[in-house]
Amino acid sequence: DAGVTQSPTHLIKTRGQQVTLRCSPKSGHDTVSWYQQALGQGPQFIFQYYEEEERQRGNFPDRFSGHQFPNYSSELNVNALLLGDSALYLCASSFPGSHEQYFGPGTRLTVT
Amino acid sequence: AQSVTQPDIHITVSEGASLELRCNYSYGATPYLFWYVQSPGQGLQLLLKYFSGDTLVQGIKGFEAEFKRSQSSFNLRKPSVHWSDAAEYFCAVSGGGNAGNMLTFGGGTRLMVKP
Repeated sequence: DAGVTQSPTHLIKTRGQQVTLRCSPKSGHDTVSWYQQALGQGPQFIFQYYEEEERQRGNFPDRFSGHQFPNYSSELNVNALLLGDSALYLCASSFPGSHEQYFGPGTRLTVT
Repeated sequence: AQSVTQPDIHITVSEGASLELRCNYSYGATPYLFWYVQSPGQGLQLLLKYFSGDTLVQGIKGFEAEFKRSQSSFNLRKPSVHWSDAAEYFCAVSGGGNAGNMLTFGGGTRLMVKP
């Protein structure tokens, strides 16, 4: 049973560019959440998708957007990248209504 | 709004010694509480969780945690630390209702183990 998978593992982008990160949830999970973890800090909630809709959103600007596909996989898009967007982006999945989330290995984004 | 505080940024213990990592939370109702561990460059692994019932919960790798409502705390303990326990530990809280199941994390405690 595959756990949560994310791609790519690492990514280097230039300021002003756009990036797309991908996540496949654990088998049987239909809810996907995204978190940003800056170096030396705890993860911060970006948003959550369920039934292909954004259900909750944290305190992140509109440059951060997402999508969920019918197979429950999800994408995180960040436009107009800033140096401060450099971080580890974590995807987590869960069963409907469950508070227990399973995390993927993350995507390390570096903005230069 | 819910919040989590981990007062200790770094902790160093000797291998074989006992360990306690502190976590204090702020949440209006009964929270759902978690401890996660993160090895360098890795994702988060769930160590244990508290939803309700017995306030002392057991987790993986010999860890346990105790929920104390009166102190708004959920401290993580291990009786004998192994060198492989060196990692970053995060306490997290989620709530119900409008808060949904989004996790709010503390800033983390980095554990170093001396041989």
